[in-house]
Amino acid sequence: EPEVTQTPSHQVTQMGQEVILRCVPISNHLYFYWYRQILGQKVEFLVSFYNNEISEKSEIFDDQFSVERPDGSNFTLKIRSTKLEDSAMYFCAVLGGAGGGGTDTQYFGPGTRLTVL
Amino acid sequence: AQSVAQPEDQVNVAEGNPLTVKCTYSVSGNPYLFWYVQYPNRGLQFLLKYITGDNLVKGSYGFEAEFNKSQTSFHLKKPSALVSDSALYFCAVRDMPDDYKLSFGAGTTVTVRA
Repeated sequence: EPEVTQTPSHQVTQMGQEVILRCVPISNHLYFYWYRQILGQKVEFLVSFYNNEISEKSEIFDDQFSVERPDGSNFTLKIRSTKLEDSAMYFCAVLGGAGGGGTDTQYFGPGTRLTVL
Repeated sequence: AQSVAQPEDQVNVAEGNPLTVKCTYSVSGNPYLFWYVQYPNRGLQFLLKYITGDNLVKGSYGFEAEFNKSQTSFHLKKPSALVSDSALYFCAVRDMPDDYKLSFGAGTTVTVRA
């Protein structure tokens, strides 16, 4: 069973619209991450989140992006005004879990495929 | 800065033959190395990791990987491949014990033919 689930599995939006991608961990985690994978390219780090604060972000994570845990459970990634180049698979990850990798292994959700038209 | 290279875009093997997926890394400190597998329309699944200790690491589904510090490599291996091993494999690295973000390689598509 995955450590996290993500909703929606597929999101289609118009350029300039706001989207919110959700990540729901199945147990208590302290560290959260967002990565993205543009079709045919490598998985890229976006942001890490610990203790309700951003701990690190990449240069991709500009002012159009934000993250939060609004209810202490869900972890969301918001893109304020989507661009065509935001089309990608977005993965949430948590640190540690029951997958045999221990407390310093990241476990990934199934991803949300974002398509910007 | 940390980085990973997977020199092969694709690896094709016959079922029952050994499978090797190559990975080399570059870090400033001691490497923390991971292999993940991605099946079509699925997320990344953890296979195995190397943090410290024995250079040969055993993981899920019969996979193992060998850490070679002198060659800065962490190749993934399986002695006898199955058709169900056909997937996209990613090597990843981080180089700081308290910085958990991962840098991924470009991925290697493995196709195992019956």
